[in-house]
Amino acid sequence: DAKTTQPPSMDCAEGRAANLPCNHSTISGNEYVYWYRQIHSQGPQYIIHGLKNNETNEMASLIITEDRKSSTLILPHATLRDTAVYYCIVRLSSKEGAQKLVFGQGTRLTINP
Amino acid sequence: GAVVSQHPSRVICKSGTSVKIECRSLDFQATTMFWYRQFPKQSLMLMATSNEGSKATYEQGVEKDKFLINHASLTLSTLTVTSAHPEDSSFYICSARPSLSRRTGGHEQYFGPGTRLTVT
Repeated sequence: DAKTTQPPSMDCAEGRAANLPCNHSTISGNEYVYWYRQIHSQGPQYIIHGLKNNETNEMASLIITEDRKSSTLILPHATLRDTAVYYCIVRLSSKEGAQKLVFGQGTRLTINP
Repeated sequence: GAVVSQHPSRVICKSGTSVKIECRSLDFQATTMFWYRQFPKQSLMLMATSNEGSKATYEQGVEKDKFLINHASLTLSTLTVTSAHPEDSSFYICSARPSLSRRTGGHEQYFGPGTRLTVT
């Protein structure tokens, strides 16, 4: 699985958009980009995933560059409850034989009042 | 959404004893479950992949005789920490992936709330 690089920490003001970058320059053509987050002392929570196109759901938006070498997770109106560690993971889909999610160090996002 | 539970949520045991942690998928069947360990201020480290009805696959450096995994049904996997020592104190997290079907895209993986193990 391709490796990802994320900034170790970020701060964002409550109510503003939080933009979390992720570099995955070695991503292969059929690997997906997944985002999970982990609030302190809880299990990780799925946020969103994408292959090529930008994606949006009720939690966030995912913007993937045209060359797919980087992506940005956008939380449009951050709240204090969005304070967590955010993990960007690149992996094949399970249908293509992928088994495991391997977590890097992630970005510790702090939302400030 | 799909729910994965873990039991117990917290456990304190004495050095040398064994501890069993259960991971259950409550509203779906999971052919594959995963066990992770997380030390304070660190990321999740995958320990093993558990497949229903077969032996678990352990990651490099994880002792299979110390961390016994049993995936006896499509909704339950257990992790037993044998002869626990203080260095085994950690946050143990399981995750479950729904069995593939036409309705699932192979992307879903759901995590339990974690079990905090303290060995004294």
